[in-house]
Amino acid sequence: KQEVTQIPAALSVPEGENLVLNCSFTDSAIYNLQWFRQDPGKGLTSLLLIQSSQREQTSGRLNASLDKSSGRSTLYIAASQPGDSATYLCAVRGGTSYGKLTFGQGTILTVHP
Amino acid sequence: SQTIHQWPATLVQPVGSPLSLECTVEGTSNPNLYWYRQAAGRGLQLLFYSVGIGQISSEVPQNLSASRPQDRQFILSSKKLLLSDSGFYLCALTTGTGGTSGYTFGSGTRLTVV
Repeated sequence: KQEVTQIPAALSVPEGENLVLNCSFTDSAIYNLQWFRQDPGKGLTSLLLIQSSQREQTSGRLNASLDKSSGRSTLYIAASQPGDSATYLCAVRGGTSYGKLTFGQGTILTVHP
Repeated sequence: SQTIHQWPATLVQPVGSPLSLECTVEGTSNPNLYWYRQAAGRGLQLLFYSVGIGQISSEVPQNLSASRPQDRQFILSSKKLLLSDSGFYLCALTTGTGGTSGYTFGSGTRLTVV
């Protein structure tokens, strides 16, 4: 059974800091890994999608890496801003035909001015 | 681009009442559709998935059911709600059969059973 763990559970940083969110998973037989952002009371917004054959993806100030063999991914946020405050969720898509998504518990990020 | 519409955004229902949540999709055909639930203090849990019209698979036994009457319509239902059915319900889609598609989520429905 796939298990996804995110560390830290919560993070509070001053504006401008570079930060790293960590995600680990137990079963390396995945199609891809996806990072999402969730604002309070809202749905999930996809940030980055990394296929199992890829090592990293970048979008603006966000960079996500994937080491499938060791079961790890990191989300790097450069020059953090108060608008980055949200819950960040890591999810892996399994190797079954319908591709179940297994989520971590999330990292609650607060960026204060 | 693909868009998922969910309604209502919030719902308060008494215990024992029926439930119908609707999800419709735009911008793609023959999507794989999913219902996830996010309960307070718990992670996101897959409830149902569908790979085509009339095809429903359940991940966990529960008080809920799902139906897919049209290619781009996915409905979550219950005949009698329980307090434990409270949560945030999210509809999602993927495309293709190769597993490389990322997930797109709707804006969710907050259900409170009282």
